[in-house]
Amino acid sequence: EVKLLESGGGLVQPGGSMRLSCAASGFTFTDFYMNWIRQPAGKAPEWLGFIRNKANGYTTEYNPSVKGRFTISRDNTQNMLYLQMNTLRAEDTATYYCVVTTVDWFAYWGQGTLVTVSS
Amino acid sequence: DTVLTQSPALAVSPGERVTISCRASESVSTLMHWYQQKPGQQPTLLIYLASNLESGVPARFSGSGSGTDFTLTIDPVEADDTATYYCQQSWNDPLTFGSGTKLEIK
Repeated sequence: EVKLLESGGGLVQPGGSMRLSCAASGFTFTDFYMNWIRQPAGKAPEWLGFIRNKANGYTTEYNPSVKGRFTISRDNTQNMLYLQMNTLRAEDTATYYCVVTTVDWFAYWGQGTLVTVSS
Repeated sequence: DTVLTQSPALAVSPGERVTISCRASESVSTLMHWYQQKPGQQPTLLIYLASNLESGVPARFSGSGSGTDFTLTIDPVEADDTATYYCQQSWNDPLTFGSGTKLEIK
């Protein structure tokens, strides 16, 4: 069974930084692209970016809306996915999901972790 | 960015047939996928590549379309289908979601 458990969310001040983590299990982690997707309360999800699998060199792609502020990384020895977020703004307030891509769609989603950017 | 337009809300009675539409601002071929999100939960995959039913999803759900116009159909609708439904395209970068259609079962 695929399991994705996000952690690291909470309250952060505008301009601050935060790192989210996602513990993955139940599948061969290195075989899959891993994504971060966020969803503000009452709004649609927004894809933030992904990190490719081993076969594709673990390279990254980002949504231009967060490129340069957010960084996705993975620890393949620990089956962990990370999202480093810098220079946070109020509009970054959302639930952040760790999501597995199978082929070309978002097959498995974690429960999410809430990030609130406020003073 | 590819904008996906969905009707904001629908209300139907149990047993009826409902169609939820998604129109893309540019062609996405058949790289359109559908998700269901129940209140307080994460989205779950229903349909991939426009018309393929995800494993474990009831056959009451079906999808169709290509290019810019896509449809998710639920027939017959059940009370448990109360949720928001999102379309998502993976043809153009960045990957984008529709604004969602909130389905109410009367």
